[in-house]
Amino acid sequence: AQKITQTQPGMFVQEKEAVTLDCTYDTSDPSYGLFWYKQPSSGEMIFLIYQGSYDQQNATEGRYSLNFQKARKSANLVISASQLGDSAMYFCAMRAPLYNQGGKLIFGQGTELSVKP
Amino acid sequence: DAGITQSPRHKVTETGTPVTLRCHQTENHRYMYWYRQDPGHGLRLIHYSYGVKDTDKGEVSDGYSVSRSKTEDFLLTLESATSSQTSVYFCAISVGLQETQYFGPGTRLLVL
Repeated sequence: AQKITQTQPGMFVQEKEAVTLDCTYDTSDPSYGLFWYKQPSSGEMIFLIYQGSYDQQNATEGRYSLNFQKARKSANLVISASQLGDSAMYFCAMRAPLYNQGGKLIFGQGTELSVKP
Repeated sequence: DAGITQSPRHKVTETGTPVTLRCHQTENHRYMYWYRQDPGHGLRLIHYSYGVKDTDKGEVSDGYSVSRSKTEDFLLTLESATSSQTSVYFCAISVGLQETQYFGPGTRLLVL
């Protein structure tokens, strides 16, 4: 069975500092995708970054980077130079194969990040 | 902006009444999904569609049905709403080679 674990229910970071949000996953499929989403207090789910299981390099998108350690089955999100607008809930997710309920996303419980001025 | 809208955005209804939520996409993406988000459970898949009239169940499908008569619209129906179906409902589409799922703005449903 596939599973995503986020062990940090809440985190604080000082503005302009970097922060790492942890995510570990479990799957027996060799091909999978890993995603991070941001959910601000307004409620929408915003796609941040994607990492494929066969990608050789860690994904980066602006201030977001994904620290992908395949052997450890971890996919941590790193946010550099935190901003007040980064305060939100962050979800790690893994895409199931298409034969498994249409490639559904399996989500972790989320980490609530608070950025302090 | 992935061009996904959901309607209504908020709804209050009474136990036992039928409710239909609509998801609309402006592009012809094949896969569409309905998830619900509850505290302590994250997002869980209710139903999904892989084409017009092609739908299948997700992990929490009891009490829900779906229909997709046009590529752009995916409807979720609560046949007889119960208080346990009070939740936030998200529609999503799968886009591109990475099959990234983009979400609609969500519908907050309260069943009294």
